[in-house]
Parts: sequence; structure tokens; C-alpha cells
Amino acid sequence: GIQVEQSPPDLILQEGANSTLRCNFSDSVNNLQWFHQNPWGQLINLFYIPSGTKQNGRLSATTVATERYSLLYISSSQTTDSGVYFCADLKAAGNKLTFGGGTRVLVKP
Amino acid sequence: DGGITQSPKYLFRKEGQNVTLSCEQNLNHDAMYWYRQDPGQGLRLIYYSQIVNDFQKGDIAEGYSVSREKKESFPLTVTSAQKNPTAFYLCASSPGGMISGYTFGSGTRLTVV
Repeated sequence: GIQVEQSPPDLILQEGANSTLRCNFSDSVNNLQWFHQNPWGQLINLFYIPSGTKQNGRLSATTVATERYSLLYISSSQTTDSGVYFCADLKAAGNKLTFGGGTRVLVKP
Repeated sequence: DGGITQSPKYLFRKEGQNVTLSCEQNLNHDAMYWYRQDPGQGLRLIYYSQIVNDFQKGDIAEGYSVSREKKESFPLTVTSAQKNPTAFYLCASSPGGMISGYTFGSGTRLTVV
């Protein structure tokens, strides 16, 4: 099956800083999604982004499907951005998600 | 409000015991899923079900069992055959046949004592 690698594994930011998280895939991706897991374990869907660029407030994401990677941008980070960010590919057969290992983000005040 | 409810939030199990984790959704979603998360790692698929009375094994099904007797419910049993059951378990649902609308529950943290 497809392998999903995320980098960096850990990220410490000062409040207000910008950052970029990366997701690499071993095979073609069709339905890339980004999730945020808060410190209490709740997973929230941030973006469905099979290709192109999307923005939602201070977050934006870009997927270059032909080169098998996606980027998540966090601008003007806030302490509430802390948690783990996952990318995942959704396969249409069974609607199953294959997750990367995540990037753990800590935003310090 | 529509959503997914997992219970209990915390569960302690003695070695050799079976335990059942509850997952209920009122989103009218056809598909439901169970994922396992170990500390510092991503999620791995245990079982999934696309319709009532049908389910398939995921990547790490050994030592687990499920049932799907109702559309709203997809309980997961962690059996004594699961050698390392301590983990965070997340249930999810999706409309099925679509590529968006994935919704997760808040999780159950299982600890073997």
C-alpha cells in the first residue's frame, strides 16, 4: 500500500511565527486530506485537497499530485494551533484513510 | 447536533479479559471505521463497515472483532488475543461512496493493567 511520510516530526514555534509542514507519498494520491488532532485527541478535518491550493483563515494547503507531496502552511501561529497535524490519503475503495506519522506542533506564548 | 459518540473515554482492562468499545453516530452515515493510535504514531485501520451486516478487516484486525447490526452502531471488541491492546481507539464515519465528510469521535483510551 501507499506510504505516507511527514516532516518534520516535531515543531516548536513562538506565537506569531509561520511554518510549513510537508507530506510525501510513495505513490499517486487521489484524495489527500489534512487533519488536526487537538491535545485531547479529537481529530478535525482541515482540508480535502487532491490538488491545487486552498485557504481557510490562517491555514492554507497545497498539493502537487504529480510530484506526490502536499504542504500545510500555518501563518501567525497561535497557541490553539498546538497539536498533531496528519495528512492522509483516502482511497475510494472502502473510503479508507492511510495516515502519515504526523507532525507534533507546540506553539509557545 | 449530529456527531459520533464514543464511550467510555477511559477504560482499564485486566490481562485476559475482553472489552467492548462503543461507537454510535447520528449522522446517517453508511460507512463506519475503527482506528488505533499508539503514542507518537499515526492512525492504523482495524476494521471498517460500508453497510449494515457487513464489515471488512483493516490493516491490524488480529485480536479484534466488530459487529454492524444497526446503521448507527459499530462496537469494537478487544479480545484477549490482542497482545498489546493499550492504545487510543478512534471511531469514524463517512457518508460512503463519497470522498469527503469523514467525521471522528473523541476516542477511547484503553489501558491494560
